[in-house]
Amino acid sequence: DAGITQSPRHKVTETGTPVTLRCHQTENHRYMYWYRQDPGHGLRLIHYSYGVKDTDKGEVSDGYSVSRSKTEDFLLTLESATSSQTSVYFCAISESLGTTKDIQYFGAGTRLSVL
Amino acid sequence: AQSVAQPEDQVNVAEGNPLTVKCTYSVSGNPYLFWYVQYPNRGLQFLLKYITGDNLVKGSYGFEAEFNKSQTSFHLKKPSALVSDSALYFCAVRDKAGANNLFFGTGTRLTVIP
Repeated sequence: DAGITQSPRHKVTETGTPVTLRCHQTENHRYMYWYRQDPGHGLRLIHYSYGVKDTDKGEVSDGYSVSRSKTEDFLLTLESATSSQTSVYFCAISESLGTTKDIQYFGAGTRLSVL
Repeated sequence: AQSVAQPEDQVNVAEGNPLTVKCTYSVSGNPYLFWYVQYPNRGLQFLLKYITGDNLVKGSYGFEAEFNKSQTSFHLKKPSALVSDSALYFCAVRDKAGANNLFFGTGTRLTVIP
């Protein structure tokens, strides 16, 4: 999975608790992304980062925050988990945009269940 | 607004037969188009992409896709299906001039029957 490690791989939590998912890359790629995958929706972008401390919202960002203090780490936080955030979360990285290296590589995913 | 449609949730094909997985898109500018494959309990793997140039794009594992601007389509094809091609396939699009995120289709599950 292209030098991308997501942790934890599985998590069960209770409604109202904060949860942090971690994405770690060893490729030194500039861009990092968090997606969620749900049946009937494909993948939807939550947040992305275009550099250290540079982040922006995706199409389903409500209830989520991110941080990127180092090139290699991109954290996704569910501030107060809800059952609607039960999903599989994928991190992706890419080296550049608009070139032959404009390809997103995905981690193995984190399965989150909010009870 | 950008969007991708994969009209078939499920495609079944016999081993050795040609396969097609359909994708149509909508963008305001010229599109970047991608195909990804997902095997069970794995992340998405890149297959191929179209940015510019030849309308027929060749990718990994013998897959290819044809960009058709007039029909706004980017169908994935393979001349001879293998049982190991059975997986979930996603088409994605990005507007060159827009935000850097990809918009994904809902996926098509391909089953190759031995």
